[in-house]
Amino acid sequence: KNEVEQSPQNLTAQEGEFITINCSYSVGISALHWLQQHPGGGIVSLFMLSSGKKKHGRLIATINIQEKHSSLHITASHPRDSAVYICAATASGSARQLTFGSGTQLTVLP
Amino acid sequence: GAGVSQSPSNKVTEKGKDVELRCDPISGHTALYWYRQSLGQGLEFLIYFQGNSAPDKSGLPSDRFSAERTGGSVSTLTIQRTQQEDSAVYLCASSLAGNGETQYFGPGTRLLVL
Repeated sequence: KNEVEQSPQNLTAQEGEFITINCSYSVGISALHWLQQHPGGGIVSLFMLSSGKKKHGRLIATINIQEKHSSLHITASHPRDSAVYICAATASGSARQLTFGSGTQLTVLP
Repeated sequence: GAGVSQSPSNKVTEKGKDVELRCDPISGHTALYWYRQSLGQGLEFLIYFQGNSAPDKSGLPSDRFSAERTGGSVSTLTIQRTQQEDSAVYLCASSLAGNGETQYFGPGTRLLVL
């Protein structure tokens, strides 16, 4: 069992739909990251959070520490949101590298 | 300011050859990470440098892989006697202090071993 699990693996939505991607983790963490990878491979960090909720534009990330669960929401989705979204965890303790989920391929159709 | 840069952007090599991949982190970032993304696979951690501390090499898949970071800045990942299974995108990231904060990723080096 992977330490970081994401669902769904693939997601297709119509433009304007509200989208949720889920992430569960089994290790103690100091931070949970949401990353975006566009075709061509570039990775951009969207959020880093250790509690509560963060919002940036149409993107919202939440985390429930007790349930070891995080969600990434996209409101009013747009075709340009099409990308792979990756959940990653920084374990608590001395390790600072990221442990990655397998990613969610999001396709938003016009 | 400049982001994380990596070179070369693409590398094609023959099985058995050695390759060197370079990463220039964001200026002032003390933490540097190497990750690998194989075709159809997720991202996996390779090695982590933090300041002058001994690197965390726990993710290196074999002793053919090594990395160094000179002067606390530029890092080189070396793969000796490359194998076809080494073909992947090698990504470098840096962060300010290595405290679990945001990591900034380079564009990656696409390595193809024939």
